[in-house]
Amino acid sequence: GEDVEQSLFLSVREGDSSVINCTYTDSSSTYLYWYKQEPGAGLQLLTYIFSNMDMKQDQRLTVLLNKKDKHLSLRIADTQTGDSAIYFCAETPPGNQFYFGTGTSLTVIP
Amino acid sequence: NAGVTQTPKFRILKIGQSMTLQCTQDMNHNYMYWYRQDPGMGLKLIYYSVGAGITDKGEVPNGYNVSRSTTEDFPLRLELAAPSQTSVYFCASSYSPGSYEQYFGPGTRLTVT
Repeated sequence: GEDVEQSLFLSVREGDSSVINCTYTDSSSTYLYWYKQEPGAGLQLLTYIFSNMDMKQDQRLTVLLNKKDKHLSLRIADTQTGDSAIYFCAETPPGNQFYFGTGTSLTVIP
Repeated sequence: NAGVTQTPKFRILKIGQSMTLQCTQDMNHNYMYWYRQDPGMGLKLIYYSVGAGITDKGEVPNGYNVSRSTTEDFPLRLELAAPSQTSVYFCASSYSPGSYEQYFGPGTRLTVT
C-alpha cells in the first residue's frame, strides 16, 4: 500500500493561520484531496487539486502542491473554532483505490 | 437523498461472534468501499466493489467478507470477531475511482471484548 504521511496534531490560536502538511508516495496520482472529519462523523471532502496545478485557492483554504517533493499542504486562513477537526489528505494512484493519510487533529484555541 | 447510510451506529461483540455491518447508498454509484479507522493510523481499505457482483480486496481484508448483490447495498461481514477488529468502520461510495469525491457514511463503532 501507499504511505501517506501527516503530523498527528496541530494547535493554533483562533484568528491565526493553520498549515497542515502531507507527503504522498505516488507521483502518478491524478488528484490529491483534503477531507475533514468532525467528531463522531464520517469524512467530508474539503477541497482537491489536480496534479498539474501548483496551487488552488478556495475562500479561506489554500492548497499547495509540490510534485517534485511529493508534498501537499493545506492552509486555513483566519482559523475559527469550527475548524477544529481531523484533516486527512488522500491520493489516487491509477487504479480503484484512495489512499488516506494518518490524519492531523487540528485544535483551535479560543 | 439520504447519501450513504450505515447500521448499526454502535455494537459490542464478544470474541468469536459474527455480525454484518450494513451499508446502503442512494446515489447510484458504482464504486463502494469499506474502511476501518484506528487512532493515529488513518483509514485502511478493507474491501471495495466496482459494481454489482464484483468485489476486490483492499489493504486489510483478513477476517472480513463482502458481497455486492445490488448497486445500492454493500454489507461487510465479520466472522469470528477478534479484539483486533475493534475499530470504527466507514462505508463510502463514489461515481468513479478517480472521481474527486468519495461520500462517506457516519460510521459504525465496533468493540470486540
